[in-house]
Amino acid sequence: KAGVTQTPRYLIKTRGQQVTLSCSPISGHRSVSWYQQTPGQGLQFLFEYFSETQRNKGNFPGRFSGRQFSNSRSEMNVSTLELGDSALYLCASSLSGSGIAGGTEAFFGQGTRLTVV
Amino acid sequence: AQSVTQLGSHVSVSEGALVLLRCNYSSSVPPYLFWYVQYPNQGLQLLLKYTTGATLVKGINGFEAEFKKSETSFHLTKPSAHMSDAAEYFCAVSDGRNQGGKLIFGQGTELSVKP
Repeated sequence: KAGVTQTPRYLIKTRGQQVTLSCSPISGHRSVSWYQQTPGQGLQFLFEYFSETQRNKGNFPGRFSGRQFSNSRSEMNVSTLELGDSALYLCASSLSGSGIAGGTEAFFGQGTRLTVV
Repeated sequence: AQSVTQLGSHVSVSEGALVLLRCNYSSSVPPYLFWYVQYPNQGLQLLLKYTTGATLVKGINGFEAEFKKSETSFHLTKPSAHMSDAAEYFCAVSDGRNQGGKLIFGQGTELSVKP
């Protein structure tokens, strides 16, 4: 069974540009969460979607947004990129309606490495 | 608010030695606790989790962890380290009551295994 697929794996963007990252969850999984990983801040929760609805949101500026489609695939968008947005962006999918909070295992993708220059 | 503290950003052990990675959490509600492992340029893989029930939890690759409520700890152990265990390990907590709740991660502990 295919795992969580994130595309692209690597991305280089210029300050001020915008970027869209994609995440395809495991088939049948309806919950998708996004995390940002940086050396300084570690792993930080961005947001979580379930059945096309944002169910939870972390403390990030409005430049960070996301959405989920009817097939559970999710995208996150970062507008007006800043150097500090350089990070590994991880997507996680889980099966049940309670998501990670219900103790259901979250399966992570390999991430998208975003570099802002 | 919930938080996780991992003691020691780097731990080095010899092959065959005991692995002990420390994790303390703070939570005002009964927590769900997780340990994840991350290999270079990879995502996170779940090692084990505690939700309810037995406080000693066994996971993959010979790892186990014990939930100690009185000490607010969830330390990860493995009796005998293998070279392939070298990776970064993350402890995480979630609020089990908050449907769709997020994971709060510790800062991670990088484990090195010496031959």
